Amino acid sequence: NAGVMQNPRHLVRRRGQEARLRCSPMKGHSHVYWYRQLPEEGLKFMVYLQKENIIDESGMPKERFSAEFPKEGPSILRIQQVVRGDSAAYFCASSPPGGSSYNEQFFGPGTRLTVL
Amino acid sequence: AQSVAQPEDQVNVAEGNPLTVKCTYSVSGNPYLFWYVQYPNRGLQFLLKYITGDNLVKGSYGFEAEFNKSQTSFHLKKPSALVSDSALYFCAVRDMRGGYQKVTFGTGTKLQVIP
Repeated sequence: NAGVMQNPRHLVRRRGQEARLRCSPMKGHSHVYWYRQLPEEGLKFMVYLQKENIIDESGMPKERFSAEFPKEGPSILRIQQVVRGDSAAYFCASSPPGGSSYNEQFFGPGTRLTVL
Repeated sequence: AQSVAQPEDQVNVAEGNPLTVKCTYSVSGNPYLFWYVQYPNRGLQFLLKYITGDNLVKGSYGFEAEFNKSQTSFHLKKPSALVSDSALYFCAVRDMRGGYQKVTFGTGTKLQVIP
């Protein structure tokens, strides 16, 4: 059973470009979470999605950032018009259905975004 | 609102000695508590969780954690540290009250095991 997969592992963008980060949850998991980790800092929650629904986007910046988890295919975190401050590691996690409350989250290896 | 605090940015311990990584939490109801470990350039790996029941929870790689309700703490422990335990450790909490609430992570504690 493959774990959570994220691609690309490393992404370099110039200021003003778009970044698309992909996350394929573990097989059978229908809950996806995105986190951002700045250098030397902890994890910051961004968004929680279930298939075709955004459940909680309270950690997502209001502008330039969006996320989706379509019925088919991976979850996408999209950052438009990137700025240097967007440089960070972005982690995706997934958990099985039946409620996210007590299930641990399984993390992907992360995408390290560098904005030049 | 729920929160979790890891008061130490870094913990140094000699190989073979017991280790403790501290975590305190704040929730309105009863907590679900988790510990994760992150190795360099990797994602987080689940170590253990407390839902209910015994206050001493055993997890992966010989780690355990003790839930203390009166002190609102969930410290991570290991009887004998290994150099390979050197990593970043995150405590996390979720309020057990009904309805959706996200898991909140601490800021992390860097564990350095000295050979």
